[in-house]
Amino acid sequence: KAGVTQTPRYLIKTRGQQVTLSCSPISGHRSVSWYQQTPGQGLQFLFEYFSETQRNKGNFPGRFSGRQFSNSRSEMNVSTLELGDSALYLCASSLNSGGAGETQYFGPGTRLLVL
Amino acid sequence: SQQGEEDPQALSIQEGENATMNCSYKTSINNLQWYRQNSGRGLVHLILIRSNEREKHSGRLRVTLDTSKKSSSLLITASRAADTASYFCAPHAGGTSYGKLTFGQGTILTVHP
Repeated sequence: KAGVTQTPRYLIKTRGQQVTLSCSPISGHRSVSWYQQTPGQGLQFLFEYFSETQRNKGNFPGRFSGRQFSNSRSEMNVSTLELGDSALYLCASSLNSGGAGETQYFGPGTRLLVL
Repeated sequence: SQQGEEDPQALSIQEGENATMNCSYKTSINNLQWYRQNSGRGLVHLILIRSNEREKHSGRLRVTLDTSKKSSSLLITASRAADTASYFCAPHAGGTSYGKLTFGQGTILTVHP
């Protein structure tokens, strides 16, 4: 089975722009979670989607949003980019409900640099 | 979910030696997972240990869980240069915190050839 894929792998944007990142989960996985990783804050949970519904959300401003499609593919969007949004964005998929600490399978990440 | 705290922050050893890293957490858990991250890449799941298990093995990896001390340890035996990575634990209390794993700052392991 193919693993979790993320596109693009690298991205450079300027402040004020918006960006959309894409994640394709492992075939059959219905839960997709997104994380932001920075040197200062470490790995932080952004949100989780299951069957096209956002079920959980981390402590991020409304500029961060996401969605999930019927084929479980997910996108996240960051509007009005700030320098502090520079980070590695990771998505992870899991087989079932995504709850109760289920094993997550991570993609390689998208490295976003905001100038 | 709750955050685990990994210790030590950094560990430097020679190839062939064993590496032990620890994770502490604050409240009762349903399970605890260990993940590895090679520099700047995605996380790789290593082991999941449930609260009613005390020890689990996978290849050169051994994970122990002591719920009375709220701690877990990851032992890598006969380490290799390829084991160089950051290691994270993710304790989870169960319930309906969907899709959220909470990670600490991790242990950076460097294995010298």
